Amino acid sequence: RKEVEQDPGPFNVPEGATVAFNCTYSNSASQSFFWYRQDCRKEPKLLMSVYSSGNEDGRFTAQLNRASQYISLLIRDSKLSDSATYLCVVGRGDSWGKLQFGAGTQVVVTP
Amino acid sequence: GAGVSQTPSNKVTEKGKYVELRCDPISGHTALYWYRQSLGQGPEFLIYFQGTGAADDSGLPNDRFFAVRPEGSVSTLKIQRTERGDSAVYLCASSYGTSREGTEAFFGQGTRLTVV
Repeated sequence: RKEVEQDPGPFNVPEGATVAFNCTYSNSASQSFFWYRQDCRKEPKLLMSVYSSGNEDGRFTAQLNRASQYISLLIRDSKLSDSATYLCVVGRGDSWGKLQFGAGTQVVVTP
Repeated sequence: GAGVSQTPSNKVTEKGKYVELRCDPISGHTALYWYRQSLGQGPEFLIYFQGTGAADDSGLPNDRFFAVRPEGSVSTLKIQRTERGDSAVYLCASSYGTSREGTEAFFGQGTRLTVV
C-alpha cells in the first residue's frame, strides 16, 4: 500500500463551480502536510501548507483530519487556470525531509 | 536567478554509462532533496540533505545511485551503469530547513534523463 493515496481523477469541473477531493495517508507519525500543484511537464509548486485547524488561501481551502488520516482540498469558483494535477504531500515526524507524494489528482476546468 | 537550478535540463545516455545531474539550491536553503518522477506518478523520494550530510538516503533504489553535497550548497546526483529503467525526470528541491515549519520545498525544473 502506498503511503499517500489519491483519486487520480480526472475531475471535470465547469468554470465557476466548486470541486473538492481528498487524499489519505497511512503513516500516523506524519506531521506536516501540503498541497502542491503540477502543470503538465512542469515542476511541482507549493499551493499551500495544511494546518491542523484547517486553512484557507483565497479560493482554496485545506482541511486535515488526523483521526481518519486524510487531507482535503476544496477549490471554489474554479478558473480555467486551475486545471492541473494536485499533489498531496506528507512529511514524516521521524524524518521531516522525507516528503511522500501522492500520484496526484487531475482537475480539468471547462468553459 | 532566485530559484532552484538544475543542469542539464535533458540528458540522453547509453545503457551502462555514468551520468551526473547537478542541482543548485536557493541561496540560504539548508535542506536539499532529490526526487524522481515517472510519467503519471508523483515524485518518488530518493534522498535529502541537511547541510552537507545525507539525513535520509533510504529512497535510493540501489548502490548505483549516489549523491553528494560537499559544501552544503550545490548537490550532484550520480548514477553508475545506467539502465533503461532509470529513465525519468529527476527533480531537485530545497527548503529553508527540515523542521515542521520549514519543509515547504521549492522545486527546480528537473533533468529529464533518457537511457537508450
